[in-house]
Amino acid sequence: KNQVEQSPQSLIILEGKNCTLQCNYTVSPFSNLRWYKQDTGRGPVSLTIMTFSENTKSNGRYTATLDADTKQSSLHITASQLSDSASYICVVRARSASGGYQKVTFGTGTKLQVIP
Amino acid sequence: DTAVSQTPKYLVTQMGNDKSIKCEQNLGHDTMYWYKQDSKKFLKIMFSYNNKELIINETVPNRFSPKSPDKAHLNLHINSLELGDSAVYFCASSPRVSNTGELFFGEGSRLTVL
Repeated sequence: KNQVEQSPQSLIILEGKNCTLQCNYTVSPFSNLRWYKQDTGRGPVSLTIMTFSENTKSNGRYTATLDADTKQSSLHITASQLSDSASYICVVRARSASGGYQKVTFGTGTKLQVIP
Repeated sequence: DTAVSQTPKYLVTQMGNDKSIKCEQNLGHDTMYWYKQDSKKFLKIMFSYNNKELIINETVPNRFSPKSPDKAHLNLHINSLELGDSAVYFCASSPRVSNTGELFFGEGSRLTVL
């Protein structure tokens, strides 16, 4: 069964500190993995996409890593800001042999709170 | 503004009523989705339409009926509302069903059933 598990469930950090969020998945065959940020009361917004051949990708203060062998991804946030307070959702897409619909599995999310 | 917009943003209603949520996207995408986000913030796919054709119908009670009049619109009608239907419903779109692109979400519609 395709699953995506994230840890920790919630996290509180001081402004300016770094943090790392984890995502483990069992989705197969793997197509890609996206990290989404969901602000309170808003819809999720994509931060970055990781494909099979990519190990690391940065988007400003966000750096995502992917280890396709161990089926793990992480999202590292550097020099956190109050505006980073949100839920971060790991979403893994399965590859379709027919080129049609690709099943998408959502993680349960990590709720990050950055405090002054 | 180019976006996925859904209305209403908030909906409070009594058990047993029928209600609809509307969604429109002006991104030119072919595929639209309805997701349900429960109190634990877990997003679960309900339906997906590609060019007005239903392609995903997860195990959702048949009280939920999606309708896509054209590829830019996907509405969700719910009959005989139950307490367990209380959740935030997100509409989303993506360029086409087989791509590796991202999902573009609306702001969500918070449904509260009393």
